[in-house]
Amino acid sequence: EVQLVESGGGLVQPGGSLRLSCAASGFTFSSYEMNWVRQAPGKGLEWVSYISSSGSTIYYADSVKGRFTISRDNAKNSLYLQMNSLRAEDTAVYYCARVGVAGIVYWGQGTLVTVSS
Amino acid sequence: DIQLTQSPSFLSASVGDRVTITCRASQGISSYLAWYQQKPGKAPKLLIYAASTLQSGVPSRFSGSGSGTEFTLTISSLQPEDFATYYCQQLNSYPFTFGPGTKVDIK
Repeated sequence: EVQLVESGGGLVQPGGSLRLSCAASGFTFSSYEMNWVRQAPGKGLEWVSYISSSGSTIYYADSVKGRFTISRDNAKNSLYLQMNSLRAEDTAVYYCARVGVAGIVYWGQGTLVTVSS
Repeated sequence: DIQLTQSPSFLSASVGDRVTITCRASQGISSYLAWYQQKPGKAPKLLIYAASTLQSGVPSRFSGSGSGTEFTLTISSLQPEDFATYYCQQLNSYPFTFGPGTKVDIK
C-alpha cells in the first residue's frame, strides 16, 4: 500500500524557517516524481514545487521561488521542503504528492504550517 | 504559466440532479487535464485524468470531456456523497496549476 506521511509542520514566526519531511513507503520511491501542494485555510489548492525522480530537475511556484527548496533522499525514501523567510501567506496545509502522467493519485494526509507572531 | 478558470464557483443542487462543471485553460493543453474531488479535512481524490479517463474505483456517474482549452466534468446523477469541492489541474507543463474550485452544495 502506498503511503505518504508528512511531518515537520507547526507554528513559526514571520521570517522564520521550517523543514517539512515526507516519508514514502509501499512503492519504489526512487522511480517517481514528487510534488508539494498546499492549501491555505478555506482556500483552493496551490501547486508549490516539483522534483524529478533523480532530483536533477526542480520547479517552483513563483510565490515560493528563492525561499523554498525541495529535495529528496532516495536512500531514505524521503522528500523534503525547506521553507525560509516564511510569510503569513505561507500558512497552509502542505501535502506531499506522488505525481504521474495521470495526475496525483497519491497524497499524504497533510501537515499544517502556521506563520504568525 | 497556464491559468485555469472554473465555472461556476458554487452550485447548489439536489440528489439525482445532473451537474456540469467547466474548466477553461488560458492556452491549449491538449488532454492533459485532471479532475479532483475534495471533502473538508481530507486530501483531494483523483476522479478523472487525461480529460476523460475515469480513475480506477471512481463511480461511472462521473465523466469528463474536452480538449484544448475547454473541459467539463459531469456528474450524471448527484449522490449524497458527491457534495464536495471539485478542482481541475493542468498537467501540460509546470507549474501544474489548479483551477480555483467549484463547491457543490445541497439545495
